[in-house]
Amino acid sequence: TQLLEQSPQFLSIQEGENLTVYCNSSSVFSSLQWYRQEPGEGPVLLVTVVTGGEVKKLKRLTFQFGDARKDSSLHITAAQPGDTGLYLCAGMSAGGYNKLIFGAGTRLAVHP
Amino acid sequence: SQTIHQWPATLVQPVGSPLSLECTVEGTSNPNLYWYRQAAGRGLQLLFYSVGIGQISSEVPQNLSASRPQDRQFILSSKKLLLSDSGFYLCAGRDGLNTEAFFGQGTRLTVV
Repeated sequence: TQLLEQSPQFLSIQEGENLTVYCNSSSVFSSLQWYRQEPGEGPVLLVTVVTGGEVKKLKRLTFQFGDARKDSSLHITAAQPGDTGLYLCAGMSAGGYNKLIFGAGTRLAVHP
Repeated sequence: SQTIHQWPATLVQPVGSPLSLECTVEGTSNPNLYWYRQAAGRGLQLLFYSVGIGQISSEVPQNLSASRPQDRQFILSSKKLLLSDSGFYLCAGRDGLNTEAFFGQGTRLTVV
């Protein structure tokens, strides 16, 4: 069974601080995605990484895919209260299946 | 653009009653479709996924079933609800040409 482990589960920081969220697995994924979810709504895609070692930037957010395509990280620079939310990583198996599995999520709270 | 319609938004059902949640897709053909359940503030647990009409893969043995009677219709059902079936249910789709998933707005189910 493929699993995606996210850490930390909870993160409470002050505005302006930097943070990193990790997504790890023992399995290889053909791609990994990061989503952000607000309470009572469906997740919204932030980015997809496909190539091992790939780095993508979205304003203050930097996403990296591990060389072996088993892990990914999300780094936020100078966090703002608007970054508060649940961050989820999700992966599509590399074995030709169509399962899209999610990590348990990281609940981020940024205080002014 | 691809859109998932999911209803109802909230549902309160007594223990032992049946359940039928419907999800329909617009803007794409032959999508992969998924049903997830999410505990409060946590990640998404994959329940069922479907790669085509009548094709259902079950990820977690439980009190629920799924059906796909039409290409763009995915239904989650139960004959007799349990208290443990309470949660936030999300339907998602994935276009065969892309890896990203697009989500419905979710159904908050409370079994009392």
